[in-house]
Formats: sequence, C-alpha cells, structure tokens
Amino acid sequence: SQTIHQWPATLVQPVGSPLSLECTVEGTSNPNLYWYRQAAGRGLQLLFYSVGIGQISSEVPQNLSASRPQDRQFILSSKKLLLSDSGFYLCAWSDSGRGYEQYFGPGTRLTVT
Amino acid sequence: AQKITQTQPGMFVQEKEAVTLDCTYDTSDQSYGLFWYKQPSSGEMIFLIYQGSYDEQNATEGRYSLNFQKARKSANLVISASQLGDSAMYFCAMREAQRGAQKLVFGQGTRLTINP
Repeated sequence: SQTIHQWPATLVQPVGSPLSLECTVEGTSNPNLYWYRQAAGRGLQLLFYSVGIGQISSEVPQNLSASRPQDRQFILSSKKLLLSDSGFYLCAWSDSGRGYEQYFGPGTRLTVT
Repeated sequence: AQKITQTQPGMFVQEKEAVTLDCTYDTSDQSYGLFWYKQPSSGEMIFLIYQGSYDEQNATEGRYSLNFQKARKSANLVISASQLGDSAMYFCAMREAQRGAQKLVFGQGTRLTINP
C-alpha cells in the first residue's frame, strides 16, 4: 500500500532563517506531487505541483520554492522566512494515470517568530 | 477561474441526526470533479467522496452521500446518522486538470460539531 511521509511534524523558525520541508511517498511510482498551505481557520491553497522529476509548477508567487530531486521526493524550501509563511503545510500525491484522488500527508505546522 | 463557496462556517448537530453541508462551485469547464475532505483536529486530510461532472448517479460512500445538482452548481455533502467522531472541519474541493496534474481548489470549510 502507498504511504506518504512529511517531516518535521512541527517547526518554529525565526524570521529570515532558511526552511526545508520534506515529503516522500512509498508504494507507487511516478506520482504527481503537490504542496499546499493552510492558514489558520482557512482552506488549503495550492503552492506547487510536480508531474515528474525536476518538473515544478508554481501557483503563487512568493519566497518559497520547491524541488523534486527524486521520483518520490518533494521538498519545499525558503532562503529567508517571513512571518506570513507561518501555517500548516501539506504534501499530497495523486496517481499520474487516473489522478483524481489526492492523498495527503500528516502535515508540518510551521511557526515563524 | 474556478471557485468553491462554503457558506456555513459552523454547524451544530445532535448525534444520530443527518446533516447537510453546503457547497457551491463556479467553473466554465465541462469536465470537472468535486471532492469532500474531512480534517480532524490532528490536521490530516481524509478523502470522503468524489463526484465527476459526467456521473449520472450521486456518489455514495457508506454514511456519506453527495447531492449533486449540476444546474444549480451545488455539491452538498450529506452525512446520515451522525456520530461524535464526525466532529471536524469539512472541505469541498474541485479538481482542475492542467498539464497532467489534478490541481484542487478548496473552499473555506465548515466546522461540524456533533453534540451527544
């Protein structure tokens, strides 16, 4: 069966510090991968998606970036965090064939101080 | 651009009663799909049910059913015989296919509280 992992689970970082959040998927190959952010009490906003290694599409201009160095690994990064980057970050995958359903990871709660 | 609207920020229901969570959508696409996800306090997003725009029958998954009214652009979630464990945030979402990926656009969510 397929599983999706995210780490860390929680993170507190000062403004201006770098960020690296990691997401890995097991049990499938060539998945579509997604990064979402959820502000407190709000819905999810798509940040990035990837349909293959090295292929990243950005949805919202910001100081975040994403990379996909391996087939089942998706990384969210920032060189300098802003207060507005605080939120709950969720990684998701979907089957590249049918792809209708997205399966979410447990999420990372980021607080920028 | 696609848009999902959930007009109920909070709902309070007695245990064992049925509950309907509202969702309306806006799209110019002919082919689209609608999802409902449940988010408990732990934060994980749990897939509940999916309805394709060309599906003739309303989707059902156990106690969950989706009341799909295409002409009214609504996709309400119905939970029958509610349970205490149903207390959570519920999100309606629409898929937008682009370059092989299935992007999801989410509504603001409805917080459902089941009272004993």
